[in-house]
Amino acid sequence: GAGVSQSPSNKVTEKGKDVELRCDPISGHTALYWYRQSLGQGLEFLIYFQGNSAPDKSGLPSDRFSAERTGGSVSTLTIQRTQQEDSAVYLCASSSYPGLSTDTQYFGPGTRLTVL
Amino acid sequence: AQSVTQLDSQVPVFEEAPVELRCNYSSSVSVYLFWYVQYPNQGLQLLLKYLSGSTLVKGINGFEAEFNKSQTSFHLRKPSVHISDTAEYFCAVTGGGTSYGKLTFGQGTILTVHP
Repeated sequence: GAGVSQSPSNKVTEKGKDVELRCDPISGHTALYWYRQSLGQGLEFLIYFQGNSAPDKSGLPSDRFSAERTGGSVSTLTIQRTQQEDSAVYLCASSSYPGLSTDTQYFGPGTRLTVL
Repeated sequence: AQSVTQLDSQVPVFEEAPVELRCNYSSSVSVYLFWYVQYPNQGLQLLLKYLSGSTLVKGINGFEAEFNKSQTSFHLRKPSVHISDTAEYFCAVTGGGTSYGKLTFGQGTILTVHP
């Protein structure tokens, strides 16, 4: 079946602009995660969704970052007033069983964001 | 809180040679441990995971890892590597209870296999 998909694959934007990154999880997966991969910080957790709720937003770096999930499926990560330090690859993952630490997370290919 | 340290940022090796990628973790609670691989311009793919039971875990593509609680290590090994194993490898940890699977990653090890 289809894996996790993300769009766009690449996004170049100017400093100060808003961007939206989209994640389509594997069908039926109720847990969804966003991570950020950058040269300086490595792979960092951003936010976790259980269904449409986000019990843990602790990884969002500032209030310019927000995310939502609708219909228990697609998720959108929005970055407002982008800064150069936001440049990174944003990875989305999904898994079958929310709240189960042993569950396998399946990752999408990522969106490479470049802020000029 | 949990943390993961991958001791080597880069590991060069010749084809058909054995390889070990080192990972140490710290945690105040029981942990579950994972190794992921990332090929160029692709997402992360799970190689193997340790949840409980046997400390030797076998994964895909001939990789295996051994959980050592006393040394807080989870090193990844392969007895004979191929060119196609060239990739970046990430060790990750998550705790039990209410941690729901939030992964904490190491900094990654770039494995380069030379002909």
